[in-house]
Amino acid sequence: GQQLNQSPQSMFIQEGEDVSMNCTSSSIFNTWLWYKQDPGEGPVLLIALYKAGELTSNGRLTAQFGITRKDSFLNISASIPSDVGIYFCAGWKYGQNFVFGPGTRLSVLP
Amino acid sequence: DGGITQSPKYLFRKEGQNVTLSCEQNLNHDAMYWYRQDPGQGLRLIYYSQIVNDFQKGDIAEGYSVSREKKESFPLTVTSAQKNPTAFYLCASSIRGDRTGGRDTQYFGPGTRLTVL
Repeated sequence: GQQLNQSPQSMFIQEGEDVSMNCTSSSIFNTWLWYKQDPGEGPVLLIALYKAGELTSNGRLTAQFGITRKDSFLNISASIPSDVGIYFCAGWKYGQNFVFGPGTRLSVLP
Repeated sequence: DGGITQSPKYLFRKEGQNVTLSCEQNLNHDAMYWYRQDPGQGLRLIYYSQIVNDFQKGDIAEGYSVSREKKESFPLTVTSAQKNPTAFYLCASSIRGDRTGGRDTQYFGPGTRLTVL
């Protein structure tokens, strides 16, 4: 099935730095979702976006629904050690199943 | 607490045995899904169900079976026909986009790690 493009694949950052990652598709979506997954656990929903151009925050996390409806961005400000994990994006459009990105693995160095 | 529960957390199976993974949700969601996750790979859809007593094959349904007799339950059976069943299995649910004016949000359970000995 279709898979989204997600970048970067992995990133190593210093504690306190800001993080940016994005997700792109060749198709347009009605919904963009961002998840975080810890080792051995299920993905936890961080932010849901439903409208082109929408900018939504959840604490230190901010995500945007791209104007073209083919991309989305997730930013994490002032990273802390517990931000370590894999971040997945997912897209949904009417009449189709959810499509997922391969994930961005975030490592935070003290 | 509303959410999705999966049991057991860890499951060991001998080759040639069928095994059933449990998934229950109390979110009153219509749609439920099963995914498989392997190291270094993304989520792959096994089966999904949009309504009780109906389900559809996903991208990798061979060797798996499901049932949807109740809205809140969607058990997955990994049969002996599945050639490489060792993996992390995730159950998810969503409201269904056609019931929300064209938007949908999917929530995941904690996962079951199946190991075939």
